Amino acid sequence: NAGVTQTPKFQVLKTGQSMTLQCAQDMNHEYMSWYRQDPGMGLRLIHYSVGAGITDQGEVPNGYNVSRSTTEDFPLRLLSAAPSQTSVYFCASSYASGAVVEKLFFGSGTQLSVL
Amino acid sequence: GENVEQHPSTLSVQEGDSAVIKCTYSDSASNYFPWYKQELGKGPQLIIDIRSNVGEKKDQRIAVTLNKTAKHFSLHITETQPEDSAVYFCAPMNSGGYQKVTFGTGTKLQVIP
Repeated sequence: NAGVTQTPKFQVLKTGQSMTLQCAQDMNHEYMSWYRQDPGMGLRLIHYSVGAGITDQGEVPNGYNVSRSTTEDFPLRLLSAAPSQTSVYFCASSYASGAVVEKLFFGSGTQLSVL
Repeated sequence: GENVEQHPSTLSVQEGDSAVIKCTYSDSASNYFPWYKQELGKGPQLIIDIRSNVGEKKDQRIAVTLNKTAKHFSLHITETQPEDSAVYFCAPMNSGGYQKVTFGTGTKLQVIP
């Protein structure tokens, strides 16, 4: 049971570099989302998707892009990394019954450092 | 959007004692109230949840109670064990309509053997 898989687990970038954080789930969940976790601030929603081809912004979307071409995958792109994007990133998915989204399943996270 | 507060931010208890964490929220439309546990180096994992038509739910040593009038719900852990040491998050939400989920800032629980 793979669940939600995130890669890589660790990444160091230089300011201005770009990269993609990968997220894949094998539970056929419609709803997928990205969070960042900073000390003392809990988890903050970056972007989310309610199905293939549909994405929307969360609380802190600036500097990040997403796309959802398949049900399984929801990559997060940093176009030009900044030190303020140093954080731990979590991908989460949820089954949806109609428009009802409840229990979130999380990946194990990607620790990103931007120098 | 939803304003969520958790208290306390840190909590130390002796093994075997009880622990209580409180979550207050602002959106009266919230109807789903989960608690997540995050162990060091891992992603959060749901441990218990409750819906707005229920006042209390128990699962072995953990329980959640809900006061919709006062807009708060609490996590209760009895007979605490060292493996309960973790960070706990609440995330109240309106589960209909793909609402954006707002997490509390977390409570770090330390169970002292």
